[in-house]
Amino acid sequence: GAGVSQSPRYKVAKRGQDVALRCDPISGHVSLFWYQQALGQGPEFLTYFQNEAQLDKSGLPSDRFFAERPEGSVSTLKIQRTQQEDSAVYLCASGLAGDHGELFFGEGSRLTVL
Amino acid sequence: RKEVEQDPGPFNVPEGATVAFNCTYSNSASQSFFWYRQDCRKEPKLLMSVYSSGNEDGRFTAQLNRASQYISLLIRDSKLSDSATYLCAVNKGWGAQKLVFGQGTRLTINP
Repeated sequence: GAGVSQSPRYKVAKRGQDVALRCDPISGHVSLFWYQQALGQGPEFLTYFQNEAQLDKSGLPSDRFFAERPEGSVSTLKIQRTQQEDSAVYLCASGLAGDHGELFFGEGSRLTVL
Repeated sequence: RKEVEQDPGPFNVPEGATVAFNCTYSNSASQSFFWYRQDCRKEPKLLMSVYSSGNEDGRFTAQLNRASQYISLLIRDSKLSDSATYLCAVNKGWGAQKLVFGQGTRLTINP
């Protein structure tokens, strides 16, 4: 497909489990972003990659959150020892470089921590 | 204070009405402004970019007021299909692609 693809679409985890969320950006898109969206809220920035370089991780809420994009394409967001407050939709977005470009979002991975 | 603020609504308006939302931002260095539309349980999709001179796309008009640091979205002749959450997004500053989003304004168009 031509769009941003995320998997899994839905994930239920027990508190304390580790989860990994995958994002396949649009081919050729240099920039990749992860956002967290809680119910009734706007997307909150987590981290940003330009190619394989993680240029900004200021939005990661704790050291339990880790993201990587080793080959500058697919990215993985990992959450260790999940907590209930981690329950949210995790959105991945990609775009061409430059500050006027549109971001294209995937459908998100909905994480529920019990 | 949040970097980008919107009235969460909900706004309930009859079909055919004109509705307008504002969004304020705190970073005076911001250069790029956008309105995204998000349907229930779907991803945000770009509705329109907002340019300094204001821009129009069919029934939608977006405007930027740098002096007062807000952007606006006007929807004329609203349709049932316009029901959605409208998110404003602002970049962090010159040369920064990172977007900061508002909370979103929920709009319902009633028949």
